Amino acid sequence: SYVLTQSPSVSAAPGATANITCGGHNIGSKNIHWYQHKPGQAPVLVIYYDTDRPSGIPERFSGSNSGGTATLTINRVEAGDEADYYCQVWDLYSDHVFGPGTKLTVL
Amino acid sequence: EVQMVESGGDLIQPGRSLRLSCTISGFKFGDYAISWIRQAPGRGLEWVGFIRSKAYGGTTEYAASVKGRFSISGDESRSVAYLQMDSLKSDDTAVYYCVREDWEQLGGAFDIWGQGTMVTVS
Repeated sequence: SYVLTQSPSVSAAPGATANITCGGHNIGSKNIHWYQHKPGQAPVLVIYYDTDRPSGIPERFSGSNSGGTATLTINRVEAGDEADYYCQVWDLYSDHVFGPGTKLTVL
Repeated sequence: EVQMVESGGDLIQPGRSLRLSCTISGFKFGDYAISWIRQAPGRGLEWVGFIRSKAYGGTTEYAASVKGRFSISGDESRSVAYLQMDSLKSDDTAVYYCVREDWEQLGGAFDIWGQGTMVTVS
């Protein structure tokens, strides 16, 4: 089955940049989607198709998928960005797969 | 407004069955694939299964952890999707979300989520 890996935690000071990475076999060939999940709330799609932002998601959120790693970048981090972030792909043999999640702490 | 609302979560004994419902509004059931995704306490998101859109035959797929025990169906006339859960185990304890998948515009990303319903198997 297809497996995604993520660092358990990332921290950033307000105003700084946070990079959250996602790894997997031949990940560059897959479409990566990213979700923000705050406690007690439903997850929210923040990036789809590696780099695209749904309407309503701030431009501070961006994504990339190259060099064997997918990355969610949050510029000018705010306290309200503190959440768990999950990457997700579709795999022909494993169907939908989520990464284990990365907890973003805003210092 | 596009919305998905889950119901049916409960405290239930191991080995019993439970059916969750997901009431859809703002879009037509059958026009999109619908997934069920769960989050066990202290754990990450886990995809449970989905029902494809009518255009793709409305067929279903399941995660290995629930295959043979869970089944997904839908009632287009009532705009409701169901998750039938049989032979429940303590490991099935989780918040269950019903979620819309958009393959046409978003490459299968989950763009609309319900608020979730809690299932406790104990």
